Amino acid sequence: NAGVTQTPKFQVLKTGQSMTLQCAQDMNHNSMYWYRQDPGMGLRLIYYSASEGTTDKGEVPNGYNVSRLNKREFSLRLESAAPSQTSVYFCASSEFRGANQPQHFGDGTRLSIL
Amino acid sequence: AQKITQTQPGMFVQEKEAVTLDCTYDTSDQSYGLFWYKQPSSGEMIFLIYQGSYDEQNATEGRYSLNFQKARKSANLVISASQLGDSAMYFCAMREFSGGYQKVTFGTGTKLQVIP
Repeated sequence: NAGVTQTPKFQVLKTGQSMTLQCAQDMNHNSMYWYRQDPGMGLRLIYYSASEGTTDKGEVPNGYNVSRLNKREFSLRLESAAPSQTSVYFCASSEFRGANQPQHFGDGTRLSIL
Repeated sequence: AQKITQTQPGMFVQEKEAVTLDCTYDTSDQSYGLFWYKQPSSGEMIFLIYQGSYDEQNATEGRYSLNFQKARKSANLVISASQLGDSAMYFCAMREFSGGYQKVTFGTGTKLQVIP
């Protein structure tokens, strides 16, 4: 009963380092999302993938890239980490069709950039 | 204008009392969905309740109900008989569909503290 699995759970990086956050879902969902959560700002969409083979920018895409590897997996890459990217990152998935489909979230990755 | 507005950064409620968390939204779409999520201190996001823009009745899920007033563009969450375990952050979110493009927007959240 895994749902959405994110790895790693915690990570500390130095400015300029690169890193890929991994996300996998086992619910056969078409849509997957990456959010960042900062204090007082709720969740902001970084990128999303409506279905396998497609990706689109969200509200705050700068400094990030994504790959929809297959239907199950959606990764987020920081090419050159900056302190402003210190945040909690959530991956989510949902069905694309049907406005009533909630998003299912992973447990988050806490990323600190020094 | 903010898409989702939660005007209560923090709320207190006595155990066993009911509490209403406010959410207003802004959209020009006719078809949209409204969600509430709970985030306890452990950090995970838990789906609570959904209301569709075409739903004529207010959604209910156990102790959670959604007071949906479409003309006022509000979708307030009502928690009845509060429990200590209800202490958490609560987020309102809206999902819009427009020409096949979908977008989900979250509010900034309300921190609810239940007092024994």
